[in-house]
Amino acid sequence: SSELTQDPAVSVALGQTVRITCQGDSLRSYYASWYQQKPGQAPVLVIYGKNNRPSGIPDRFSGSSSGNTASLTITGAQAEDEADYYCNSRDSSGNHLEVVFGGGTKLTVL
Amino acid sequence: EVQLVESGGGLVQPGRSLRLSCAASGFTFDDYAMHWVRQAPGKGLEWVSGISWNSGSIGYADSVKGRFTISRDNAKNSLYLQMNSLRAEDTALYYCAKEYSSSSAWSFDYWGQGTLVTVSS
Repeated sequence: SSELTQDPAVSVALGQTVRITCQGDSLRSYYASWYQQKPGQAPVLVIYGKNNRPSGIPDRFSGSSSGNTASLTITGAQAEDEADYYCNSRDSSGNHLEVVFGGGTKLTVL
Repeated sequence: EVQLVESGGGLVQPGRSLRLSCAASGFTFDDYAMHWVRQAPGKGLEWVSGISWNSGSIGYADSVKGRFTISRDNAKNSLYLQMNSLRAEDTALYYCAKEYSSSSAWSFDYWGQGTLVTVSS
């Protein structure tokens, strides 16, 4: 099965821009999706497809992709954005139902 | 409003079995693939298993292959995970997740709140 690699931790000053990355071979075939998870809560989808935001997700969240790397960018990070962020995609090495997650990035807003 | 409500978790001894359920509402259940995702205490998300809308296609993580069985009952809007030969490393919060898939995008667009499975003697 494929793997997705994320930096374990990233920090950003309040109001600044931060990019969280996700690398893996499956991203050459499939877009990544991004999830925000706050302590004690279920994950919430924030970005999917080329750069789509579900209803209710602020437009400071955006996504991009190049080669085997997907990125989640938060432009003007807010205190409430402090959370764990996970990427996932379909696994390109198995059947279409197999899925792979990144290890997660803990975002600290300073 | 989409709702996914997991149940069936609990404390179980190593080697025993447990069956998780996920009750879905607020969407046409049999139009969508569904998945189980778990999260061990203090760890990241791990995909466990997925099933297509008609149960015609199923996938499992290597870590549970041969021990876990996913199934669904579209008449009852329910997803299941039969977990056999449980191990301490299966201890986790188990989430049910709905898959969204189109020609240009894919994601897990809705998640339940999870049900906790603890494997310990």
